[in-house]
Amino acid sequence: EAQVTQNPRYLITVTGKKLTVTCSQNMNHEYMSWYRQDPGLGLRQIYYSMNVEVTDKGDVPEGYKVSRKEKRNFPLILESPSPNQTSLYFCASSLSPGQGPYNSPLHFGNGTRLTVT
Amino acid sequence: QQQVKQSPQSLIVQKGGISIINCAYENTAFDYFPWYQQFPGKGPALLIAIRPDVSEKKEGRFTISFNKSAKQFSLHIMDSQPGDSATYFCPGSSASKIIFGSGTRLSIRP
Repeated sequence: EAQVTQNPRYLITVTGKKLTVTCSQNMNHEYMSWYRQDPGLGLRQIYYSMNVEVTDKGDVPEGYKVSRKEKRNFPLILESPSPNQTSLYFCASSLSPGQGPYNSPLHFGNGTRLTVT
Repeated sequence: QQQVKQSPQSLIVQKGGISIINCAYENTAFDYFPWYQQFPGKGPALLIAIRPDVSEKKEGRFTISFNKSAKQFSLHIMDSQPGDSATYFCPGSSASKIIFGSGTRLSIRP
């Protein structure tokens, strides 16, 4: 089954304790992206990747890191989480070879609800 | 930065009624205009999409209309059902970024 898998689904942590949220897709997509969703603010892009070893900042990258060492994986790293990073996070991927991310649908994972106390 | 203006922000419709959600964009790199549907606790999922070479596409109760000159596209849900209660998003683009607005929260009253 074609899917984007995020882990964990729920995570409660304390301020300053490094954490990683994993994202994996099995569709051979080149484009991958992370979003956070907060009430009233919709989906805001954190980072995206056009291909392996190619990453770029979205609209709200502060406090986050990503890496794209393999095509299928795009982990989100919070080196020193803070309470304002409490949010619902979504990973998404899209088919882009010869098309670009504007020409095909985004496939989203089921989300990771992060609470930082 | 590309703005995505979605309206209304929230909508309440009686069961069996028509739900209409609009999306206006500035300039876009998109060659593809989708609507995403999100249920609570789930990630957004593609509902319906249109290419700009057509003005309308219908899939069951869902119709997407595209007005290139007005730079907007809309979603019509006919015979709205309680199961359609969800948040709906349209995307915009800015360089290689795919951005979203705050969405439209649709509630269908039984």
